[in-house]
Parts: sequence; structure tokens; C-alpha cells
Amino acid sequence: EILMTQSPATLSVSPGERATLSCRASQSVATNLAWYQQKPGQAPRLLIFGKFARATGIPARFSGGGSETEFTLTISSLQSEDFAVYFCQQYNDWPWTFGQGTKVEIK
Amino acid sequence: QVQLQESGPGLVKPSETLSLTCAVSGASISSYYWSWIRQPPGKGLEWIGNIYYIGTTNYNPSVQSRVTMSADTSKNQFSLKLRSVTAADTAVYYCARETAAGHIEYWGQGTLVTVSS
Repeated sequence: EILMTQSPATLSVSPGERATLSCRASQSVATNLAWYQQKPGQAPRLLIFGKFARATGIPARFSGGGSETEFTLTISSLQSEDFAVYFCQQYNDWPWTFGQGTKVEIK
Repeated sequence: QVQLQESGPGLVKPSETLSLTCAVSGASISSYYWSWIRQPPGKGLEWIGNIYYIGTTNYNPSVQSRVTMSADTSKNQFSLKLRSVTAADTAVYYCARETAAGHIEYWGQGTLVTVSS
């Protein structure tokens, strides 16, 4: 099973600032990496797939990148609606696995 | 607009079987992969498994010995059965539509299942 490790656990950011979230895979997952946003009491929402492709309707301030084991999700200018928990997920090897999440909170 | 809705008991006794159904609207289940994912309260996400409409399944080894998924194309729904549950199986259970690649495009709202006597 591929272990996905996210850092930091919590990120405190002021509105309008840039946030960079990290996700590390225990082995290569190529570009088979997705990011999801989850708000309290809601299901996750797909933001990024294929390491850097934005899902339908996702604003351009969200961008994904990285290598085959180290990935980043960048939110260029945080809006109030972006404060949430973010999960990465690999779908290169079964079983698909998620990171434990990064909570982005208001500083 | 693809919509998924989980249904089933919110309380299951230890050692019994958890049974959930996911009704799909806005799309036919006779394509794509359909998944179950769970999230214990305050914790992260765990992929339970997926099913293709013809019955092909993939299960997470963590639950493989206890899980069965099935699909009913006539009702456009799919189901999850998890046997011999314990308190560790208490979670919000989500049904979802998975792309051929493996990421999730659509999620149900989730349903909390508590395992307790």
C-alpha cells in the first residue's frame, strides 16, 4: 500500500495570502494524484486530478504540481471560502490511498 | 447533474452486517466505476472498494475478507455489505463515482453509521 503523507497538519494563513500544501508518496505514483477540498459536514470536492489538471468549475487560484513522489497544491490568494481541509489521493496502485489531510485555517 | 444518495441503517450492532445502498440519478451505472469510501469521525478518508457495473470489483485488503459490493442496473443503484462490524467501522460512508483513471468526480452526501450495542 502506498502511504501518502501530508504536511503541515494545519496551515494558518491570512485572507489574500498564498498557501502551499505538500503531499509525499512513499513510492512513485507518476501523475496519478488528486486533491480534494472538504468543508465541515460536507463531502469532499475534487479540485485537481492528474497532478495539475483543474476539475470543472475550480478557480484558477488553485494549482497543482510536483514530481512523481512530492506534490504541491498552491492556493495563490486565499479567499474566505477556501478555509477547509485538503486531502491528496493517489490512484496509481490499488488500493487507492489518501493523505491524512491539511487543515487551512484563518490566521 | 449526477447525484448519489446513500441509504441504510444509521446504527448497527457489533458482529452484525452493515448494509448500505447508493441510488444514482443523472447517469447510468452501466458505465464508470462506483466506489465506497469511509471517514471515521474527525479522521481521514479510506477507500473501501469499487465496482464496475458488470460486477468486477476491487476491495481494499483492509476489509477484503468482510466486504461485498454489488450493482443493480435495473434500479440504477449499487450496494455495500460489510460483515462482522466492530466499533472501528463507525464512520461516515460515502458512495461516489470514480473515473476510469481512479479519481472521484462525484460524491454522495455521506451517511453516518455507528456500530454500537
